[in-house]
Amino acid sequence: NAGVTQTPKFQVLKTGQSMTLQCAQDMNHEYMSWYRQDPGMGLRLIHYSVGAGITDQGEVPNGYNVSRSTTEDFPLRLLSAAPSQTSVYFCASSYSYTSRGGRRNEQYFGPGTRLTVT
Amino acid sequence: GENVEQHPSTLSVQEGDSAVIKCTYSDSASNYFPWYKQELGKRPQLIIDIRSNVGEKKDQRIAVTLNKTAKHFSLHITETQPEDSAVYFCAASIGRDDYKLSFGAGTTVTVRA
Repeated sequence: NAGVTQTPKFQVLKTGQSMTLQCAQDMNHEYMSWYRQDPGMGLRLIHYSVGAGITDQGEVPNGYNVSRSTTEDFPLRLLSAAPSQTSVYFCASSYSYTSRGGRRNEQYFGPGTRLTVT
Repeated sequence: GENVEQHPSTLSVQEGDSAVIKCTYSDSASNYFPWYKQELGKRPQLIIDIRSNVGEKKDQRIAVTLNKTAKHFSLHITETQPEDSAVYFCAASIGRDDYKLSFGAGTTVTVRA
């Protein structure tokens, strides 16, 4: 299994440009999420999906769109890039299961996309 | 929404000593509290988690405690080793949905040889 893959690894955009960050997983996980990571702020949830065709907003959704037409893919679209969107973006997939320690939901993160908006 | 605060932001310990990281959360409905480790330039990885019906959980040198009344939880690493050097993030579920997480700002742990 490739796990969670993201493309591109690096991207530089000019203010106002649009682009799509790709995310794919081959583990048949039902849940997928997008986070952004900024220095000193941890990871913040942008959008998430609980299954194909179902998406919802996270903590910081403004300026981003998502769709989930298949279980495997969860692209993140930047509609009109702004310098405030300079960040490292992580996609994650997960599934819930019950182990001896109770119910768990382990998020598997992709390698990240480093985006710079000038 | 959920607000997770994490302290300290940096922690330097001598090899073999213990490291403790503390987090507080605001949403009383949160019921799932994972901890992630992120090495430099790498992706975050789950190291341990705890649910609100459990007060403490151990996995070898790592333990997590939860005080649901006070809304705080802690990570304890004993007998630290150089490979424990990394950024550690606590997280809390947003409400009861364990697939949605709110993260703390992270603690950079440095283990001195």
